[in-house]
Amino acid sequence: AQSVTQLGSHVSVSEGALVLLRCNYSSSVPPYLFWYVQYPNQGLQLLLKYTSAATLVKGINGFEAEFKKSETSFHLTKPSAHMSDAAEYFCAVSSNTGNQFYFGTGTSLTVIP
Amino acid sequence: NAGVTQTPKFRVLKTGQSMTLLCAQDMNHEYMYWYRQDPGMGLRLIHYSVGEGTTAKGEVPDGYNVSRLKKQNFLLGLESAAPSQTSVYFCASSYSLASVHEQFFGPGTRLTVL
Repeated sequence: AQSVTQLGSHVSVSEGALVLLRCNYSSSVPPYLFWYVQYPNQGLQLLLKYTSAATLVKGINGFEAEFKKSETSFHLTKPSAHMSDAAEYFCAVSSNTGNQFYFGTGTSLTVIP
Repeated sequence: NAGVTQTPKFRVLKTGQSMTLLCAQDMNHEYMYWYRQDPGMGLRLIHYSVGEGTTAKGEVPDGYNVSRLKKQNFLLGLESAAPSQTSVYFCASSYSLASVHEQFFGPGTRLTVL
C-alpha cells in the first residue's frame, strides 16, 4: 500500500519567515500527491495537488510544493509565514486506482508574532 | 450551496449502543467517503462509495457499516460502539476519482464512546 511520511509533527516559525513542511511518499509508480490544510474545528480543504503535469505546483494562499522523484519528496513551502497560516497540514497520496487516499499524520504549524 | 454537511456535530455513546452518522452533499458528486481522524494518526479511510447503491471498504472498515441509498447521502453506522471508536469522523465527496477531482470535506462529527 502507498503511504506518506510527514517529518515533524509540530513546526514553529516566526511571522514573515519561510515555511517548510516535509512530506515523503512511498510508491512504486509516480503517484498523485496532495497537501490539505485543516483550521481548528473545521474540515480539510485542498491546498494543492501534483498530478504529473509539472513538478512545481502552486496552490492557494501563496503555498507551493515541489515533486522530487529522486528524493521521493513533496515538501510544502511558503516564502513568508502569516499568522493566518497557523493550522494543521496533511500530505496525502492517492491509490493507483484513484479511489483511496492515504494521509500523513499531519504537521501542526504555529506562527509566532 | 451548503456543500458537505454532517449530522450530528457531537455525540456521546455508551459502549454497545448503536448510532448512524449522516452525510449529505448538494454538489451532485458521485464519490463519497468516510474518514476517522485520531491524534497522531492523520485521517484513515473507513468506507467509500463510487456511486449510488455501491460501497467499498477502506483502510479501517471493521466495526462500521455504510449505505448509499441516495446519491446525495452517505450513512455511517456503528452497530455496537466501542471506546476505540472514539474519534472525529469526516465525510467527503468528489465529482469522480479523488486523484483527479478535489475532495470536499464536511465539518466533522466528534464522537465519544464511554
